[in-house]
Amino acid sequence: NAGVTQTPKFRVLKTGQSMTLLCAQDMNHEYMYWYRQDPGMGLRLIHYSVGEGTTAKGEVPDGYNVSRLKKQNFLLGLESAAPSQTSVYFCASAPIAGGRETQYFGPGTRLLVL
Amino acid sequence: EDQVTQSPEALRLQEGESSSLNCSYTVSGLRGLFWYRQDPGKGPEFLFTLYSAGEEKEKERLKATLTKKESFLHITAPKPEDSATYLCAVQEISSGSARQLTFGSGTQLTVLP
Repeated sequence: NAGVTQTPKFRVLKTGQSMTLLCAQDMNHEYMYWYRQDPGMGLRLIHYSVGEGTTAKGEVPDGYNVSRLKKQNFLLGLESAAPSQTSVYFCASAPIAGGRETQYFGPGTRLLVL
Repeated sequence: EDQVTQSPEALRLQEGESSSLNCSYTVSGLRGLFWYRQDPGKGPEFLFTLYSAGEEKEKERLKATLTKKESFLHITAPKPEDSATYLCAVQEISSGSARQLTFGSGTQLTVLP
């Protein structure tokens, strides 16, 4: 069981470039989440999904898009990267557990936008 | 608006010196309070979930407690390997099917040998 994996681990982009971050989980979890972590600000929710084919906006969705075509994968896209999107991105997944769901996190993707 | 505040921001302890980390929260209805540990360059690792005031959970040298306004993470006789950032997060009842978490900024714990 690999748990939650993220690809790539590190990426450098130039302003205006696009990229896709991939999150995969092998725990058959329904819920998946994308967060960003910035110094002094804690983890903030970007987008989330409550099941295959569904997505919804979180606290800081601007500049990002997501897709969940397969239950095990959750993709985060940056169409036109900006320096303000320099951050560490974490994916998490959670099972349905009758209101007692626990989120399990991946190792993170470090993104630098120049 | 949900608010989660952790204190102190940073804490340095000598090995064996017990202490507590604080997480105060403001939510309209708490579904659960979560504690995670995060090592440098890694993702958060789940430690505990607390669901109701008065609940306590323990794991090795860590003990988490919950009141209606705050949670404490007590560290007894810490070792250098306990050094990490400890994150607190709350899940509000009104988060509905999203089950989303609101995180505090964390407490960076350093345990010196």
